[in-house]
Amino acid sequence: AQKVTQAQTEISVVEKEDVTLDCVYETRDTTYYLFWYKQPPSGELVFLIRRNSFDEQNEISGRYSWNFQKSSSSFNFTITASQVVDSAVYFCALSGTERNAGNMLTFGGGTRLMVKP
Amino acid sequence: EAQVTQNPRYLITVTGKKLTVTCSQNMNHEYMSWYRQDPGLGLRQIYYSMNVEVTDKGDVPEGYKVSRKEKRNFPLILESPSPNQTSLYFCASSPKGLAGYEQFFGPGTRLTVL
Repeated sequence: AQKVTQAQTEISVVEKEDVTLDCVYETRDTTYYLFWYKQPPSGELVFLIRRNSFDEQNEISGRYSWNFQKSSSSFNFTITASQVVDSAVYFCALSGTERNAGNMLTFGGGTRLMVKP
Repeated sequence: EAQVTQNPRYLITVTGKKLTVTCSQNMNHEYMSWYRQDPGLGLRQIYYSMNVEVTDKGDVPEGYKVSRKEKRNFPLILESPSPNQTSLYFCASSPKGLAGYEQFFGPGTRLTVL
């Protein structure tokens, strides 16, 4: 069965600290896609990244970086030099064909990140 | 502007009073779906639609109905709301109903059932 686990429910850091948000997934699919979304206090969902299962190259976008480790079924997200504006709930999600539900996303429970000044 | 809109954004209602949350997208997307977000559980899919007149249950369909009569609209109907349906609801659309396509989410509807 498809499952996404974000073990960290809440993380608190001080501004300028680096922080890593963990994401572990389970799926029987060989082809699947992993996503990260940000939900700021205003409530909308902001798409951050999509990665397919065949592309294990790590990605960096400004202060954000993602580490995809297929061998450990993990897709971790690191924010370097965190800022107060990074305070949000972050969701990891998985999309595959195992569930035969079209483009359904299976979400983790989310990690609330609080960045203090 | 390409977007998914939902109405209303906030709703407080009472148990048993039928309500509809509308969802509309202007991107000519085939796939639309509804999710509910609850603390610690992330988002869970309620219903989805692969195209017009094609709908199916997601993970948590009990107490909800949907219809897809037009490509752009996908309303969520609660025939007899109960307090356990108090939640934050998101509508989403995607160009195709295939894994990997980016999903575009609406702004969310916060529903409280008293």
